Amino acid sequence: QKEVEQNSGPLSVPEGAIASLNCTYSDRVSQSFFWYRQYSGKSPELIMSIYSNGDKEDGRFTAQLNKASQYVSLLIRDSQPSDSATYLCAVRSGNEKLTFGTGTRLTIIP
Amino acid sequence: GAVVSQHPSWVICKSGTSVKIECRSLDFQATTMFWYRQFPKQSLMLMATSNEGSKATYEQGVEKDKFLINHASLTLSTLTVTSAHPEDSSFYICSGHRSTDTQYFGPGTRLTVL
Repeated sequence: QKEVEQNSGPLSVPEGAIASLNCTYSDRVSQSFFWYRQYSGKSPELIMSIYSNGDKEDGRFTAQLNKASQYVSLLIRDSQPSDSATYLCAVRSGNEKLTFGTGTRLTIIP
Repeated sequence: GAVVSQHPSWVICKSGTSVKIECRSLDFQATTMFWYRQFPKQSLMLMATSNEGSKATYEQGVEKDKFLINHASLTLSTLTVTSAHPEDSSFYICSGHRSTDTQYFGPGTRLTVL
């Protein structure tokens, strides 16, 4: 069974600091990796996608992928209170279906 | 990103009634649409995969006769919860998938069954 693991948190980070979110996955043939942000009562919003090993940067967000270690992470620089949300890691393997982690609840402390 | 809409955004119904939820891709053609359910403080659980013009593929444990899915066009999929019961109360979210490999989520429909 394909699994995606995340630390459920809550993770508390001071405003302006770097928030680091981690995710591991079990299916070695996974090809596509996504980070979604979900505010309470809302649906998930795509933050980043990453497909190859290394780093991918978009504004204050950096996704890191290490397929050998089956590990993907999301770094949020200069954290803002508006970044407080649940972050979902999602993995796609072969077909179109996504497998989601349970999410990490992030709180940015002003 | 692409836009996916859902209607209604929330619905309250009596036990035993049926509820239809619409999912539309507004600015792209979704070859595939997915239906998820999310209970409080839990992650998204995939219910079914819907392809235009064909029968939906349901995940294990999801009753296909209770959750009827119709994908009549490349921009519209519907989920009908038949004979709803209080345990069906949840946040139902659809997503559209297009050729760029990314899923775009609708805003969700909160169903409360009394």
